[in-house]
Amino acid sequence: AQSVTQPDIHITVSEGASLELRCNYSYGATPYLFWYVQSPGQGLQLLLKYFSGDTLVQGIKGFEAEFKRSQSSFNLRKPSVHWSDAAEYFCAVPRGFGNEKLTFGTGTRLTIIP
Amino acid sequence: NAGVTQTPKFQVLKTGQSMTLQCAQDMNHEYMSWYRQDPGMGLRLIHYSVGAGITDQGEVPNGYNVSRSTTEDFPLRLLSAAPSQTSVYFCASSPSDTSGGWITGELFFGEGSRLTVL
Repeated sequence: AQSVTQPDIHITVSEGASLELRCNYSYGATPYLFWYVQSPGQGLQLLLKYFSGDTLVQGIKGFEAEFKRSQSSFNLRKPSVHWSDAAEYFCAVPRGFGNEKLTFGTGTRLTIIP
Repeated sequence: NAGVTQTPKFQVLKTGQSMTLQCAQDMNHEYMSWYRQDPGMGLRLIHYSVGAGITDQGEVPNGYNVSRSTTEDFPLRLLSAAPSQTSVYFCASSPSDTSGGWITGELFFGEGSRLTVL
C-alpha cells in the first residue's frame, strides 16, 4: 500500500527563520499529495495539495511545497515563520486508486522560539 | 456555516460499554470518514462513506460500526469499548470534483472527540 514518511518528529525554529518539513512517499504512479496542519486542540486543516502540473504548489498561510519525483519527496517550506505557525504538520497520500482512503504520516511538531 | 460538527467532545467509558460518536456536516459533501489519532501514529482511517447507504472499511475497522442514512450524518458506534480504543476521533468530509465526480481528498475535519476507556 502507498505510504508516507515524515522523518522529523519535532523541529524547532526561530521566528522569522525559514522552514522546511520533509515528506517522502511510496507510490506506484504519480500521486496526489497533501499537507495538513493541526493547531493544538483542533482538527486538521488543508494547507495545500498536489494533483498534477506545476511541481511547486502554493498553499494557504504563505506555505509552499515542491513535488520531486526523482526523490519521492513533497517537502513543505515557508520563507519566514511566525509564532502562529507552531502546530503539527501532516503529509498524506491516497492508499490506492482514488482519494477515498488517505494515509497520513506520523506528523512533525513545529515549535517556534522568539 | 458550521462545517463538520462532532459530539460529544469528551467521553469516559468503562470497558464493555457501548456508545455513539455523532458527526454532522452541512456542506452537502458525499464523502465522510472517521479517523482515530494516537500519539506517534498519525491518523488512521476507521470507516468511510462515499454517499448515503454506502460505507466501507478503512485501516482499523475492528470494534467500530457505521451507517449512513443521510448525506449529513455519519455516526460511529463503539460496540463494546476496550482500553485500546482510547483515542481522539476525528470525523472528516470531502467534496467531489464537480466535473469528474471523484473525491478530491480535501478533507474538512471536525474538532475531535476525546474518548477514554477505563
